[in-house]
Amino acid sequence: QQQVKQSPQSLIVQKGGISIINCAYENTAFDYFPWYQQFPGKGPALLIAIRPDVSEKKEGRFTISFNKSAKQFSLHIMDSQPGDSATYFCAAGDGGSQGNLIFGKGTKLSVKP
Amino acid sequence: EAGVVQSPRYKIIEKKQPVAFWCNPISGHNTLYWYLQNLGQGPELLIRYENEEAVDDSQLPKDRFSAERLKGVDSTLKIQPAELGDSAVYLCASSLDGRVGTEAFFGQGTRLTVV
Repeated sequence: QQQVKQSPQSLIVQKGGISIINCAYENTAFDYFPWYQQFPGKGPALLIAIRPDVSEKKEGRFTISFNKSAKQFSLHIMDSQPGDSATYFCAAGDGGSQGNLIFGKGTKLSVKP
Repeated sequence: EAGVVQSPRYKIIEKKQPVAFWCNPISGHNTLYWYLQNLGQGPELLIRYENEEAVDDSQLPKDRFSAERLKGVDSTLKIQPAELGDSAVYLCASSLDGRVGTEAFFGQGTRLTVV
């Protein structure tokens, strides 16, 4: 019940295209859903996060879509650029008594020029 | 402002030897996490501190792993003795208050290789 399932495992997109990464969770106590971006040799860095009181959040080219009833959320990267090539992790957190972040297994995104 | 600082960046040790990793969180952050990241996988929580108290260490292999956060600031993660399967990246992260789901900031990690 603590798992966060992420797909696809890898993704190749042409420059200017849309990258879409999906995540699903089981634990309804989760109330914080961040996406992290990780470059080789670096720690994960927060990209964008959403809480379940909204269905969508947009920051620049990055958008999170959240479907509470389906227990799914996704990251959309518009106008994908080669510099976006990295591994993306979704995560879910229970901001109540737990405060832990459970991560998906990651999606390796390659944006071809 | 400095981010989360970890040292060393890389460590190579022989199996059965001890090893320690150090983390300095962002100033003022009450919550400190240690995560394990295997190659091609997402981070997995080992232990979480709220100030100096370990509030979740359920995933920490206590037979060989130990951690401490003296004075609620810096933290050390130790493995003794190390096994081949411990080869991974050990990530430290801190958050202003993890109990209310504030952003977690990660350090660059320590890459451990056990030979």
